[in-house]
Formats: sequence, structure tokens, C-alpha cells
Amino acid sequence: NAGVTQTPKFQVLKTGQSMTLQCAQDMNHNSMYWYRQDPGMGLRLIYYSASEGTTDKGEVPNGYNVSRLNKREFSLRLESAAPSQTSVYFCASSEDGSGYNEQFFGPGTRLTVL
Amino acid sequence: AQKITQTQPGMFVQEKEAVTLDCTYDTSDPSYGLFWYKQPSSGEMIFLIYQGSYDQQNATEGRYSLNFQKARKSANLVISASQLGDSAMYFCAMSPSGGYQKVTFGTGTKLQVIP
Repeated sequence: NAGVTQTPKFQVLKTGQSMTLQCAQDMNHNSMYWYRQDPGMGLRLIYYSASEGTTDKGEVPNGYNVSRLNKREFSLRLESAAPSQTSVYFCASSEDGSGYNEQFFGPGTRLTVL
Repeated sequence: AQKITQTQPGMFVQEKEAVTLDCTYDTSDPSYGLFWYKQPSSGEMIFLIYQGSYDQQNATEGRYSLNFQKARKSANLVISASQLGDSAMYFCAMSPSGGYQKVTFGTGTKLQVIP
């Protein structure tokens, strides 16, 4: 099992460019999440998908959109990148969204917006 | 609003010694889960241990144990017999009764194990 995979690992964008971060899990999990990690601030939830076909905003959703393509895949899109979106992005999944079971994280995507 | 506080930005421990990483939390939810994650320099987040608010006993996973003191709202991570590979950032997190959509992470503690 690969667990949670993310692509790309690194990306440099110019202000205003768009891109999509891809995430897939092979653990048959119902819930998936996108976080960003900034220095000194821990992880913050951007969007989550409690189950296939549903998505909801987290703590910091502005400037992002998501798509739960199927049970395996959950993508994060930046429509018009801004320097404030320079961060490390993590995708995660869990069996359900109850918060009482483990979240599995992908390796992260390091994004720089110039 | 809920909050996780990790007051130790950085810590050193001698190899083979035990170390305690502090975590305090604040929530009004009666039911919640507490987690610890390890983030080595390679960047991935690794789940270490989980404690439910209604669990009677402190959680243990190998060399990791969670010292849960509900009345004091603390959930300290204890690592016994530290190894060089334990050098990493450690994050405390809490999910309230609303589940992962309301999870809160602390700012982390950087642990360095000295040979």
C-alpha cells in the first residue's frame, strides 16, 4: 500500500498563476483533508471532505477550491496564486471524520509563489 | 474556541534518557481526542499516539506514552529511552466532538537528541 500520495513534491509559481495539487489514498478511507503548514503556526485545515461527494471549508479556505473526484482522490486548486499562499501543503485521510481515529498524511508539497 | 499550547519551542535530551514534551489544551467540548504527531526533517507527518477524553487509562505505544491529566487539561508526551532517530518536530493536536473538521494543532516542539 502506498498510503497517501501527493503530487507534485515541489512547485514554484508566479503571482496570478493557477495550479492543482493532487492527492490520492489507497486505504479506502471515507474522509480526506487539505492542510497548510506555515513556520511557527502548526497545521491549519483548508478544506475537508467527510465522504465522497461532499466538501466543506476549514479554517483557512480563502483562495482555494477542492474537488473530491472519487473516494480515492481529493485535489486542491489555487486559481490565482498569491505570495501569501507560499507554504507546505499536506493531504491527509482517515477512516471517517469522527476525530477518534488516526489521520494518515501524505509527504507534502512545498509551494513557493513569487 | 479551542486552543492547543506547546510552550517548549525546542528541547535537548541525552540519548537513552526519557523526555517529556508539554501540551495543554482548552476546549468546552465534553468529548474530544488528543493526538501526537512526529515530523522528522524529511517533512512527513507520522502519527504517534491517541488519547480519548473518556479513556480511563493513559495511552501507550511502545516507547511513547501520553500523560493525560484531564482536570489540568494537559496531554504531555513522554518518550522513554530516547534514540537519535527521535530528533524531530513534535505536534500536539486535538479533535473535538465535531470531528476532524475542527481539529487544532499546536505550534510544535523541536526535539534534539544528543549522543
